[in-house]
Amino acid sequence: RKEVEQDPGPFNVPEGATVAFNCTYSNSASQSFFWYRQDCRKEPKLLMSVYSSGNEDGRFTAQLNRASQYISLLIRDSKLSDSATYLCVVTPGGYNKLIFGAGTRLAVHP
Amino acid sequence: EAGVTQFPSHSVIEKGQTVTLRCDPISGHDNLYWYRRVMGKEIKFLLHFVKESKQDESGMPNNRFLAERTGGTYSTLKVQPAELEDSGVYFCASSQNPGGDGYTFGSGTRLTVV
Repeated sequence: RKEVEQDPGPFNVPEGATVAFNCTYSNSASQSFFWYRQDCRKEPKLLMSVYSSGNEDGRFTAQLNRASQYISLLIRDSKLSDSATYLCVVTPGGYNKLIFGAGTRLAVHP
Repeated sequence: EAGVTQFPSHSVIEKGQTVTLRCDPISGHDNLYWYRRVMGKEIKFLLHFVKESKQDESGMPNNRFLAERTGGTYSTLKVQPAELEDSGVYFCASSQNPGGDGYTFGSGTRLTVV
């Protein structure tokens, strides 16, 4: 079983749509949680950290459920520029490395 | 502030040859990481330096891979001899403090072994 599992997509949505991505992680000792964004042939870039209380950054909302070991990302009012691969990332307890999911591809069309 | 710099950006080598990838972290960042993404798979951790010391090298696939970080500045990752399955994108990242929100990734080296 993979340590971080994501639906690979692709998610094809029109501009203005709301889209949700889900992610599960297997290590209950995982400490920190993030969503990264990766554009085609580019490096991953931090989109936002994810906290148990949930957090929002503009059109983006992230949620963490530690009991279910589940992380989500909601994008509202999708823009063409949101087209990218969204990577669910966790850090295992006691280690300073990132464990990546395989990513979910989002394609926003006019 | 200059970002994390990696070179070469692309490398095509024959099986059995040696390749050395270089990473220059952000100045002052003690933590330096190597990751790689092989085709169709997720990005995977290779190793972590704190200054010049290897903190965690649990992700290094085998002894054909050798990473060094001279004087705690730039780092090199040598693959010798290269095999076909080593093809992929090798990312370097650095951070002042450990933790995923402080990472800055380089743009990667795309390695193709033929």
